Amino acid sequence: DIQMTQSPSSLSASVGDRVTITCRASQGVSNYLAWYQQKPGKVPKLLIYAASTVQSGVPSRFSGSGSGTDFTLTISSLQPEDVATYYCQKYYSAPFTFGPGTKVDIK
Amino acid sequence: EVQLVESGGGLVQPGGSLRLSCAASGFTFSFYWMTWVRQAPGKGLEWVASIKQDGSEKYYVDSVKGRFTISRDNAKNSLFLQMNSLRAEDTAVYYCARGNYAYYWGQGTLVTVSS
Repeated sequence: DIQMTQSPSSLSASVGDRVTITCRASQGVSNYLAWYQQKPGKVPKLLIYAASTVQSGVPSRFSGSGSGTDFTLTISSLQPEDVATYYCQKYYSAPFTFGPGTKVDIK
Repeated sequence: EVQLVESGGGLVQPGGSLRLSCAASGFTFSFYWMTWVRQAPGKGLEWVASIKQDGSEKYYVDSVKGRFTISRDNAKNSLFLQMNSLRAEDTAVYYCARGNYAYYWGQGTLVTVSS
């Protein structure tokens, strides 16, 4: 099975900083990669699918890139409301595994 | 409005069984893959199982193979997860979600496996 890793596992950044989270697949998944945001006690929210397509309604500061095995979620200017855990998920083929998550907070 | 409403969670002893249900509304249920995702307390998201539109394909995470069964009733717009031989490590909030990657999620139902 394809394994998903994320780095870093956590980060602390200042408001306005550019934040980059990396997701890596152990084998190629083409662009079948989604990103989610989950705030404490809340249901996950889909941010990006097809590696780089931003879900309608998601702030423009969120973007995704990559293909194959290496993917990136970027927050161009971190806002206080972005404090959350971010997960990638591959849906190229089953199992539709999630990454372990990256916890983002404000410095 | 799309709605996914899970039910059936609760406290069960190790080795016991539970059947989770997810009632879907607001979309054509039979058009979509459906998925169960779980989240243990304080842990990350874990994909559990997915089922194709007509039920002809089902996939499971290795840790539940042979113990859990995903099914659906397209006539009743319902998704199910039959969970047998439950273990403490199955304790989690179980979410129903539309698709293999999900914009729509239910609010989740808590399953606690403990003696």
